[in-house]
Amino acid sequence: DTAVSQTPKYLVTQMGNDKSIKCEQNLGHDTMYWYKQDSKKFLKIMFSYNNKELIINETVPNRFSPKSPDKAHLNLHINSLELGDSAVYFCASSLGTVGGYTFGSGTRLTVV
Amino acid sequence: DAKTTQPNSMESNEEEPVHLPCNHSTISGTDYIHWYRQLPSQGPEYVIHGLTSNVNNRMASLAIAEDRKSSTLILHRATLRDAAVYYCILRDPGAQKLVFGQGTRLTINP
Repeated sequence: DTAVSQTPKYLVTQMGNDKSIKCEQNLGHDTMYWYKQDSKKFLKIMFSYNNKELIINETVPNRFSPKSPDKAHLNLHINSLELGDSAVYFCASSLGTVGGYTFGSGTRLTVV
Repeated sequence: DAKTTQPNSMESNEEEPVHLPCNHSTISGTDYIHWYRQLPSQGPEYVIHGLTSNVNNRMASLAIAEDRKSSTLILHRATLRDAAVYYCILRDPGAQKLVFGQGTRLTINP
């Protein structure tokens, strides 16, 4: 199936741990994004990569480090997890910055 | 980012049409009007977009006011599966991100 797939779907971890979320798209898109949806359900962009180059970093703490090994993958690594990092993280992709976005189904991160 | 205003929530009945309004009085000439929806426990899903003319696709229709200061997403025959949060978003072609507002939570009654 053509899609944006994220793994894992659920992630429960303790404060202070380091974790990664992986994202892959097979749509041939050249731009990928990470969004965060908090408990109040607001969706906020965190990062955007175009052809493996970072084009948006929305003042996200540097504990969050995105990595794009190729234009089909955008992974998110989070160091020293904090309680406030608990949220649903969505990966998305688009063709350029004009096309519609395709979102993954999300990764629910719970920090305890 | 130009702002949009949507009602917090709306309710409709199954198999009836639903008209979801969006006000965007500060829209610029190059802004496209995009609609996305987010079903429960899923990521947002593209619905439709337009610039000036009304648009139709298999999911919905988009009616754009002549002055472009408002638009309406029309679901012609709502089903229970259409219950979701609907987001109206203005997008400049040069913008490198999609900015989500609070959206309208649509409830469909059986």
